[in-house]
Order: sequence, then structure tokens, then C-alpha cells
Amino acid sequence: GQNIDQPTEMTATEGAIVQINCTYQTSGFNGLFWYQQHAGEAPTFLSYNVLDGLEEKGRFSSFLSRSKGYSYLLLKELQMKDSASYLCAPMDSNYQLIWGAGTKLIIKP
Amino acid sequence: GAVVSQHPSWVICKSGTSVKIECRSLDFQATTMFWYRQFPKQSLMLMATSNEGSKATYEQGVEKDKFLINHASLTLSTLTVTSAHPEDSSFYICSARRLAGDADTQYFGPGTRLTVL
Repeated sequence: GQNIDQPTEMTATEGAIVQINCTYQTSGFNGLFWYQQHAGEAPTFLSYNVLDGLEEKGRFSSFLSRSKGYSYLLLKELQMKDSASYLCAPMDSNYQLIWGAGTKLIIKP
Repeated sequence: GAVVSQHPSWVICKSGTSVKIECRSLDFQATTMFWYRQFPKQSLMLMATSNEGSKATYEQGVEKDKFLINHASLTLSTLTVTSAHPEDSSFYICSARRLAGDADTQYFGPGTRLTVL
């Protein structure tokens, strides 16, 4: 079957660094996406990894290990506006995104 | 980044009426668009995949006669909820698939909040 495993909720302090881990199992693999979703809003695209390694984009970085079925999203210099759900979504062999429930990140002052 | 719009942003309708939701890719052509539904505090649920010029592919358990999808052009897909009932109240979100070089990304519209009375 296909499944995503992410922590349900994480808490971090403003200005700190947080790493959100994701393990996945899919039928085939065509890359992995990270999306941010604020409450009541649609997801917004953060990053895409198709090869192993780290992709850095400003305060956000995403890492992928295809052999381990593992990815993480690293958020630096946390801001209050980063409080949101973070969705790890691998793309399967049919080019469909597989969605889990995401990780709710709470930022405290 | 790529822009996808949805209209309307929210709609309230009476039970038994039909509601049409539009999804447009504003700055790219999308041969494939996806329709999702999301209930409060739950994950996105794919309803159907909409391909330009062909019939939509529905996920198991989604009634194709109730949720009519039309992908008439490379920038527009519509979802019509027919004979809506209160249990259809949800957040409906579309996404458009953009192929650019080696990148294959889905960009989401802002969503449509449907409330059926």
C-alpha cells in the first residue's frame, strides 16, 4: 500500500530551527513535494526533490533519501507566520501526489 | 511561482441545488488538473483527475454523476456539485499540474468553501 508517516504536531520557538521528518511508501516514485497549509487555506508549494540530497531555498531546505524512503523539511530562523501544517507528498508512478495528514507546527514566542 | 485561481471563494446554497466551481491556471497551460476535498482537520482527499479534452478519472467512492468535471481548455476546469446536500459541505481545492523542464509540480488554487443548508 501507499502511506505517509509524519509527526502529528511539533512545537518550536521563534528564531529557532526545526526539522520535520517524513517517511513514505509508494507504488513507484516520481519525486517528493513539501507544501505549507495555513488553517482554512489551500496548500502552497514549498519544495520538490527528485534526486537524493539537500535542496536549499532561503530559510527552508528539503532533503531526500530515496533508498530509505525518507525526507525532511528544515525550517531556519522560525517566524510566527511559519505556524502552519506542513504536508509531505510523494508522487507515485501515476504522477499522483499521495497525501498524509501533515505536521502541525506551532511556533511560540 | 505559477498562479491558479478558483471561483467562487465561498458559496452557500440550498439543499438540492447545483453549484459550479471554476479552476483556472493563469500563467501556464495545464493539461491535467486535480480536484480535492478537505474536511476540517483532515488530509486532502483526491476526488478526480481532470484531463483536457477527455473524461475525468474519478477516485473510488466518488460519484461521477454527482460531481461533474469539465476540462474544456488548457487553462480551465470546472467542478459542478449536482443536487448538493449538507454532507457535501466542505473545502474544495483544485490544483493544476505544471510541467517545466524536469519539474512536475502541482500548484493549488485558493479553495472554495461550500456550505449547503
